[in-house]
Amino acid sequence: NAGVMQNPRHLVRRRGQEARLRCSPMKGHSHVYWYRQLPEEGLKFMVYLQKENIIDESGMPKERFSAEFPKEGPSILRIQQVVRGDSAAYFCASSPARYEQYFGPGTRLTVT
Amino acid sequence: QQQVKQSPQSLIVQKGGISIINCAYENTAFDYFPWYQQFPGKGPALLIAIRPDVSEKKEGRFTISFNKSAKQFSLHIMDSQPGDSATYFCAASPGGSGAGSYQLTFGKGTKLSVIP
Repeated sequence: NAGVMQNPRHLVRRRGQEARLRCSPMKGHSHVYWYRQLPEEGLKFMVYLQKENIIDESGMPKERFSAEFPKEGPSILRIQQVVRGDSAAYFCASSPARYEQYFGPGTRLTVT
Repeated sequence: QQQVKQSPQSLIVQKGGISIINCAYENTAFDYFPWYQQFPGKGPALLIAIRPDVSEKKEGRFTISFNKSAKQFSLHIMDSQPGDSATYFCAASPGGSGAGSYQLTFGKGTKLSVIP
């Protein structure tokens, strides 16, 4: 059973560009979560989605950030007009129900 | 406001020794407490988790001790090995179905180095 897949693993964007991060959950998992990790910090919750629904986006900045989990295909975290402060590792996790969250390898975003 | 406080920030242990990492929480609504292990450049891997209805859970060399009244929980790694060298994160999640009930709140991490 393949684990959580994320791509790209590394992404470099210039200030003002858009970043699209993709996450494919583990087979059979219908819950997807996105977290952000700054250097030497723990992970911070951003958003929780189920198929076609955003359940909790309380950790996501109101502007420039959006997330979706369509009926078909991976979950997407989209960051518009990136700024240097968006540079971080973004992790996706999935779970079959509540509690046990399994993380992907992350996407390291660098904004130049 | 940091809801989960983790200590120490770094830890050096001799091979074969016991590694102990502590976490304290503030939110009494938390009812699920996992520990994650993260190697450089990798995603966090779920190690072991506990619910408040038990005071201890053991899986192999890893043990979680939980003290509900003190709002503290800890990870013990017995017979520590160089391969255990990684960053360890505690986390907590509230119960129920209200807002935020699925979020994991993480501690800041402990960098463990096990020396031969």
